Amino acid sequence: QKEVEQNSGPLSVPEGAIASLNCTYSDRGSQSFFWYRQYSGKSPELIMSIYSNGDKEDGRFTAQLNKASQYVSLLIRDSQPSDSATYLCAFADSNYQLIWGAGTKLIIKP
Amino acid sequence: NAGVMQNPRHLVRRRGQEARLRCSPMKGHSHVYWYRQLPEEGLKFMVYLQKENIIDESGMPKERFSAEFPKEGPSILRIQQVVRGDSAAYFCASSPKTGIDGYTFGSGTRLTVV
Repeated sequence: QKEVEQNSGPLSVPEGAIASLNCTYSDRGSQSFFWYRQYSGKSPELIMSIYSNGDKEDGRFTAQLNKASQYVSLLIRDSQPSDSATYLCAFADSNYQLIWGAGTKLIIKP
Repeated sequence: NAGVMQNPRHLVRRRGQEARLRCSPMKGHSHVYWYRQLPEEGLKFMVYLQKENIIDESGMPKERFSAEFPKEGPSILRIQQVVRGDSAAYFCASSPKTGIDGYTFGSGTRLTVV
């Protein structure tokens, strides 16, 4: 059974702090990992993709991948109220279909 | 470069009617995926299609639901004899030959059954 585990939250973080979102996955063969952001009432939007072990930075966002531990995380620095959303973790299986986590609801408190 | 286009954005149907949801993938994308999302819940995979082929329909309810992606025109998700429990947001996503670089989502269709 291919699975993605995420803490559903809500995760509450003060404005300006670092928000840390975590995800574990079951498929050791997966090569592609994604973080999507979904605002309430809107569709998911791809914000980060990562394919190799280590860190990938894009502005205030950093994705971290550890294939040995089957773990991927997303760090958001200098959190803003506009970062309040549900963050979905996904990986591509051997057929390149995305397997989704249930999402973590993030709340940034001013 | 238009993204994934879904229409209608909002659809209201009475119980027992049919609902037709349309999705035009991004230019150059040949793979289409349909998802359903209930309020405060995660994405539920329904079906994966390529042109004229259903690749994976493991998430589709066995009755009343069908999907197609014809050679010409948009992909259609069809729900016959709708019930209140079908009320949800239905999202379409597309990808190029594979999903290795992720999917691009449309804005969704909000179906309300009254």
